[in-house]
This record gives sequence, C-alpha cells and structure tokens, in this order.
Amino acid sequence: DAGVTQSPTHLIKTRGQQVTLRCSPKSGHDTVSWYQQALGQGPQFIFQYYEEEERQRGNFPDRFSGHQFPNYSSELNVNALLLGDSALYLCASSYGTFYNEQFFGPGTRLTVL
Amino acid sequence: GENVEQHPSTLSVQEGDSAVIKCTYSDSASNYFPWYKQELGKRPQLIIDIRSNVGEKKDQRIAVTLNKTAKHFSLHITETQPEDSAVYFCAASLYGNNRLAFGKGNQVVVIP
Repeated sequence: DAGVTQSPTHLIKTRGQQVTLRCSPKSGHDTVSWYQQALGQGPQFIFQYYEEEERQRGNFPDRFSGHQFPNYSSELNVNALLLGDSALYLCASSYGTFYNEQFFGPGTRLTVL
Repeated sequence: GENVEQHPSTLSVQEGDSAVIKCTYSDSASNYFPWYKQELGKRPQLIIDIRSNVGEKKDQRIAVTLNKTAKHFSLHITETQPEDSAVYFCAASLYGNNRLAFGKGNQVVVIP
C-alpha cells in the first residue's frame, strides 16, 4: 500500500522566484491538505483540496495557491518567494472531508536564499 | 481560530518510566484530537487519536485522555523506550473538518 509521496525532497530558490511542490495521496484517499512547518514549530494549515476544489484555507496570502488533479494528486505553488517561506512543506491525505485521520508525506524542504 | 498549546516543551525521562504530555485547546467546538510523533528528519506519524464522545483511549503503551470541561487532553506513554524519543505534536479540529490546528510540539528524550 503506497503511502503519501512528495516531490522534490529538497529545493533551493532565491527571493522572488516561484516554486511548485507535488503530492500524491495514499491509495484510496481523495483529499489533500497542505501544511507549512517552520523549524521548531508545529505544522500550520495552508489549504485543503477535495474534488479538485479548494475547500478550506488557512491564514496564508494569495501567493500560496494550489491545484488538485483528477487522480487526486495535488500541487502547491508559491509565488514571489520570501525568506520567511523557508520551511518544510507537508502534504497530508485523508478519505473525504468527513473522516479526520490524516496521513502525512515526508515533506519538501524549501530553502529561500 | 483554534489555538492549541503544549506543555512542557521538553521532557526527559528514564527508560522504563512514564511520560505525560498535556495540551490545551481554545475552541469548545473542537471534537477530534490526534497525536503525531515526528522523528528527526521524518514525517509526522499518527500514533493515536480521540473523539470528544470518548474520555480515554489506549493502544498498547500509549493512551490519550480528554477533559472536555477543562478543554485539555493528554498523551501518556508507559514503559518508555529509547525509540520513543521524538517530538510529539497534539492537534485539534472539528470532526469532519479535516483542518488540524497543531501545538508547537514536545521534545521527549528517553535516557537509557
């Protein structure tokens, strides 16, 4: 049973650039949530996708956007990168929006220079 | 929005002793409370969760208790082992919401 996968593992960008991160959910899951985890902090909710639509959004600016594809995989896009965007980006998958159990991917470590 | 706090930030225990981590939450409507374990450089892993219609749940050496009146819940690890050393995160959400609000995490160190 394939778990949640993310790519790439690491990424280094400079300020002002744009980045796209990818996530494939656990087999049987159709909902993807994205979280940002700064060093030494707990994950913070960015947004959630279900049925190819953004269903919920946390307190993140419009520079953060996403997409979900028909096969349930998802992308997170961040435009106009800032130094403060450096973090571990985690995606979590679940079944539907009713059952809460969420399983996390290994994350993408983004460093903005 | 929901605010979750964890105490203490770091906990050191002797191997074989018990460890207890407490979390408080602010939104009385929250009714789903998972605990995640994150080892260095690895993904958070769901280790146990509890819903508000239950006061306690156990899974081998791990248990979680919930006090809805006081709005706090706790993780109990008995007979700690070196492999229990990790950062533990508590979280809260509305059942069916799937939007988790996390605490800042507790570093648990099990001393052999």
